[in-house]
Amino acid sequence: NAGVIQTPRHKVTGKGQEATLWCEPISGHSAVFWYRQTIVQGLEFLTYFRNQAPIDDSGMPKERFSAQMPNQSHSTLKIQSTQPQDSAVYLCASSPLGQAEVFFGKGTRLTVV
Amino acid sequence: GQQVQQSPASLVLQEGENAELQCNFSSTATRLQWFYQHPGGRLVSLFYNPSGTKHTGRLTSTTVTNERRSSLHISSSQTTDSGTYFCAIDNVGDNSKLIWGLGTSLVVNP
Repeated sequence: NAGVIQTPRHKVTGKGQEATLWCEPISGHSAVFWYRQTIVQGLEFLTYFRNQAPIDDSGMPKERFSAQMPNQSHSTLKIQSTQPQDSAVYLCASSPLGQAEVFFGKGTRLTVV
Repeated sequence: GQQVQQSPASLVLQEGENAELQCNFSSTATRLQWFYQHPGGRLVSLFYNPSGTKHTGRLTSTTVTNERRSSLHISSSQTTDSGTYFCAIDNVGDNSKLIWGLGTSLVVNP
């Protein structure tokens, strides 16, 4: 079990460019979450999927952020027209259905210059 | 809304000392997890413990659900225990998002 896999580990984009972050959840896990972490804001929930269906995207900045889960083995988080304030570590997590333990990937450190 | 309060915010120990980290939350938790994060590192799950007491190695987690609190005890601390410890809960159930505390930053000096 390789755990939750996130790629790339680091990404640097110029202001205004697009960034796509990838996540492969643990095989068999039906719940997939995206969070981001900054020094100032701490850990913030972005969105979550259950059985590939979007369930709660209340944490997503609406205009430039989007997330998809086209199949059970991967999810993507896309940020359009990136801004310096988008710089953060983006974390993907997965868990089995039910009241179960959540496991995190190593994160993607996004730096917008 | 649901709030998670962790204390202390930071803690400095000499190697060998014990530590007690606290997590208090404002509504009943159906799911509670303790995580460890080394600076720049992954969030590592230490305990999934919505109720009762669990042990692993030098770590013990105790959650008293009806008192809305959980603790993480570290015995005989080591320098490698240094990092940030987070408590996170879910009071809705069925895989909803986790609500996070701000963490306890632990430094263990040799």
